[in-house]
Amino acid sequence: KAGVTQTPRYLIKTRGQQVTLSCSPISGHRSVSWYQQTPGQGLQFLFEYFSETQRNKGNFPGRFSGRQFSNSRSEMNVSTLELGDSALYLCASAGEVNTEAFFGQGTRLTVV
Amino acid sequence: GNSVTQMEGPVTLSEEAFLTINCTYTATGYPSLFWYVQYPGEGLQLLLKATKADDKGSNKGFEATYRKETTSFHLEKGSVQVSDSAVYFCALSFLSSSGGGNKLTFGTGTQLKVEL
Repeated sequence: KAGVTQTPRYLIKTRGQQVTLSCSPISGHRSVSWYQQTPGQGLQFLFEYFSETQRNKGNFPGRFSGRQFSNSRSEMNVSTLELGDSALYLCASAGEVNTEAFFGQGTRLTVV
Repeated sequence: GNSVTQMEGPVTLSEEAFLTINCTYTATGYPSLFWYVQYPGEGLQLLLKATKADDKGSNKGFEATYRKETTSFHLEKGSVQVSDSAVYFCALSFLSSSGGGNKLTFGTGTQLKVEL
């Protein structure tokens, strides 16, 4: 069974640009969550999507948005990038029966 | 709000030493508790979990017991190996009635270094 796949693995963007990250969950999983990991703030929850609907949202500005498609794949978008957005962005998927979240390897975003 | 507190790292141990990483939580209600491990350059891997009081999660020689009275979920291993060197995260979440239930609140992580 394939795991959670995040693309791309690495990104370098310029301040002010926007970026889109992609996450393909484990087959059959309908819940996809996104987290930001930085040395200073640790792991912070961004949002969760379940069956194409945002179910939970963390405390991030509106520049951070996401969506989920009918095949459960999810994208996360960050507009008007700031230097502080440099981080490892992790995606996690979960099924309906188990509550464990399975994480992808992450996308390392560097804003210069 | 919900929060998780972990002991500060790094923790440096010799191979075959006993490991304890302390984790306490603050939450309204009774969350599920997890330990995740992160190896360099990787995402998070679920190590073990416990969903109710007095449950013991175990995997790969690691154990943790859900203690409601002390709101703790300390991670232990009897004999660590060099390959256990990683960052360990304690986390909690609440089950969602519609399934999934994925808003994890993490501790700050504890780096473990195991030396020969």
